[in-house]
Amino acid sequence: KAGVTQTPRYLIKTRGQQVTLSCSPISGHRSVSWYQQTPGQGLQFLFEYFSETQRNKGNFPGRFSGRQFSNSRSEMNVSTLELGDSALYLCASSLSSSGQGLDEQFFGPGTRLTVL
Amino acid sequence: KQEVTQIPAALSVPEGENLVLNCSFTDSAIYNLQWFRQDPGKGLTSLLLIQSSQREQTSGRLNASLDKSSGRSTLYIAASQPGDSATYLCAAHKLSFGAGTTVTVRA
Repeated sequence: KAGVTQTPRYLIKTRGQQVTLSCSPISGHRSVSWYQQTPGQGLQFLFEYFSETQRNKGNFPGRFSGRQFSNSRSEMNVSTLELGDSALYLCASSLSSSGQGLDEQFFGPGTRLTVL
Repeated sequence: KQEVTQIPAALSVPEGENLVLNCSFTDSAIYNLQWFRQDPGKGLTSLLLIQSSQREQTSGRLNASLDKSSGRSTLYIAASQPGDSATYLCAAHKLSFGAGTTVTVRA
């Protein structure tokens, strides 16, 4: 069974640009969660999508948005990039029939975003 | 809101020593708790998931315990090897991850 895949693996952008990251979950998984990881802040939750609907949202500005498609693939978009958006962006998938608690999560390799 | 703490932030041990990693959480009403390993610049690899109804879970040299009443989980790694060097994170909720303990096993 293929794991969680993320594309692209590396991105370099300049301030003010926008970026779209993609995540394909494990087959059969309907929940996709996105996280930002930086050395200073650790792993921070961005949002979770389940059956094409956003189910949970972290404390990030509206420049960060996402969506999920009918095949459970998810995209994350960041508009008007800032230097502080440089980070490793991770997505995780789970079966997640319930929005509560923690189903076993499986992470992708991440997308390393550098904003210059 | 569930807060998760991992102490110490870093740990260095000689090869062969047993590792004990701690994870504390504030809300005892958790569903499950999951332990992960992360190598530098990589994604997280799931190690163990402990269901809320379980007291412990084992996989090879790894054993994780869960005590909901005291808000603690412990990950034990027996007979550590240099390949165990990594950062270990615990999660009590999708929104609540610990900052991790970075382990160095010296050959």
